[in-house]
Amino acid sequence: GAVVSQHPSWVICKSGTSVKIECRSLDFQATTMFWYRQFPKQSLMLMATSNEGSKATYEQGVEKDKFLINHASLTLSTLTVTSAHPEDSSFYICSARLAGGDQETQYFGPGTRLLVL
Amino acid sequence: QKEVEQDPGPLSVPEGAIVSLNCTYSNSAFQYFMWYRQYSRKGPELLMYTYSSGNKEDGRFTAQVDKSSKYISLFIRDSQPSDSATYLCAMSAGGAQKLVFGQGTRLTINP
Repeated sequence: GAVVSQHPSWVICKSGTSVKIECRSLDFQATTMFWYRQFPKQSLMLMATSNEGSKATYEQGVEKDKFLINHASLTLSTLTVTSAHPEDSSFYICSARLAGGDQETQYFGPGTRLLVL
Repeated sequence: QKEVEQDPGPLSVPEGAIVSLNCTYSNSAFQYFMWYRQYSRKGPELLMYTYSSGNKEDGRFTAQVDKSSKYISLFIRDSQPSDSATYLCAMSAGGAQKLVFGQGTRLTINP
């Protein structure tokens, strides 16, 4: 199957700092990538849809100025959590859309665990 | 009512048993159906995807979609302890529409 990587896999930072998370599709080009957030024992919550070369589309309730998304190439999207606070601590997962023929799927990265102290 | 309903479990079965996981949905526009497996502290891994109705088999896994009943299933044969994970159903209408996930079913296979 298609491979999506994320970096870093985990990060600990002080409150008020910014954290950048990278999402890469390693063996396919993805015009669309997605960013999710997951709390313990809960399902994935979509934060935003990232389209290559255009502005991201944010879900209701997600602050676009706090969660900056850049999708500069067909294989890379980044999520920057600006001025992180303890309530931003979570598991962040990206996915990349693979479509063609009768296939319309998303492949997920391994996730990034963020802890804000 | 949620667009996709999935029993969160937990579900615990003995090794070797056949496992049946199910989701129901309400949006008749959904055409693409997926099952993901997620281990603790890992990203979801795509197990099966199906377009429209029908069955699909891959090794010990079989996915079924019944669009008339708005019901999808995942069967795991000869279950192994390594199958212990959370299983998420997901579906979309296609055309870069976002995936809608079930809540996930936590499955434990006991040796």
